[in-house]
Amino acid sequence: SYVLTQPPSVSVAPGKTARITCGGNNIGSKSVHWYQQKPGQAPVLVIYYDSDRPSGIPERFSGSNSGNTATLTISRVEAGDEADYYCQVWDSSSDHRVFGTGTKVTVL
Amino acid sequence: EVQLVESGGGLVQPGGSLRLSCAASGFTFSSYEMNWVRQAPGKGLEWVSYISSSGSTIYYADSVKGRFTISRDNAKNSLYLQMNSLRAEDTAVYYCARGTSDFDYWGQGTLVTVSS
Repeated sequence: SYVLTQPPSVSVAPGKTARITCGGNNIGSKSVHWYQQKPGQAPVLVIYYDSDRPSGIPERFSGSNSGNTATLTISRVEAGDEADYYCQVWDSSSDHRVFGTGTKVTVL
Repeated sequence: EVQLVESGGGLVQPGGSLRLSCAASGFTFSSYEMNWVRQAPGKGLEWVSYISSSGSTIYYADSVKGRFTISRDNAKNSLYLQMNSLRAEDTAVYYCARGTSDFDYWGQGTLVTVSS
């Protein structure tokens, strides 16, 4: 089965840039989606199809995908960005949807 | 406004059964593919099952295949998950989520606890 690997945690100071990676075999050939989940809440889609933003998601959130790594970038980080972030793909070889291991973003 | 509301969670003994429901509103339910996603306490997200808009195509995660059954009633705007032979490791919050490749709307989740 397809595996997506994320760093367990990322720490960033307010106003700085946070980068969260998502590693997978030839992930650049797949479409990657990103979710933000705050404690006690359902996940929220923040990036879809590698780099598109749903309406209502700030432009500070951006995504890229190439080779074996996809990246979610949060610019000008705010305290409200503190949350768990998950990458996700559709593995067409199995028709399974796969989530990454998740990254906890801490704003210092 | 798109709304997904799960129900049916609760405490069940190992080996028991439970049926979850997800009531959809605010969009044309019959036009969208749906999924169940779960999250064990303190753990990450795990995709459980997918069903096409007509119900004709279904997929399951290996961890639940043969024990869980996804279904939908487009006339009632509802999605279901029949869970049989439940195990302690099935304990989780279960979310219904709309989408094919990405999941653009999620319910608030319903907690399933499998314990004796």
